[in-house]
Amino acid sequence: DTGVSQNPRHKITKRGQNVTFRCDPISEHNRLYWYRQTLGQGPEFLTYFQNEAQLEKSRLLSDRFSAERPKGSFSTLEIQRTEQGDSAMYLCASSPGTSGFYNEQFFGPGTRLTVL
Amino acid sequence: GDSVTQMEGPVTLSEEAFLTINCTYTATGYPSLFWYVQYPGEGLQLLLKATKADDKGSNKGFEATYRKETTSFHLEKGSVQVSDSAVYFCAPNPLTGNQFYFGTGTSLTVIP
Repeated sequence: DTGVSQNPRHKITKRGQNVTFRCDPISEHNRLYWYRQTLGQGPEFLTYFQNEAQLEKSRLLSDRFSAERPKGSFSTLEIQRTEQGDSAMYLCASSPGTSGFYNEQFFGPGTRLTVL
Repeated sequence: GDSVTQMEGPVTLSEEAFLTINCTYTATGYPSLFWYVQYPGEGLQLLLKATKADDKGSNKGFEATYRKETTSFHLEKGSVQVSDSAVYFCAPNPLTGNQFYFGTGTSLTVIP
């Protein structure tokens, strides 16, 4: 299967702990996106990479959230000092292209985070 | 700033009924427009798209027309099936800037 993969699929943690999620995009895709989705809502944009460059991070929810894509391939999203309000589904997507027209995004299955 | 307004659900229809899910947006310039669908237990996937004014996107019997004058991209299907039961998301993709928006989603249930 050559789609977008995310690990883990589920994460349960205690308030105050740090968590890290991994996303492996489709191999030839330059762009990678992170979203948060809560019940009954659409995906909420968090951040976006083109290759290894993080082009937009102003929508990261707080300074507890950070993302990396060190070699322009897989990406990680870290949440430090988790809070119960961080409980949500975290989605990763990727798309081809380097500039101009923005193509469709291909989504992974998501990582469901539960903060106790 | 850019935003999208999508018809709220849930929507329940009988099989073979006509479906419309409204979507309007505000954006700088003329974005590409997308509808994504999320079937139960699955991830989001593209349903259809349109990249310029008056374009009509179509797939699986669904259609949506890029209406520049009304900044709308309403989703329609003439005869829904039980297998169309899913959540549908409207998403205008910007041509400039680096932020991406999805509607809140419209849940559709089709009953036999």
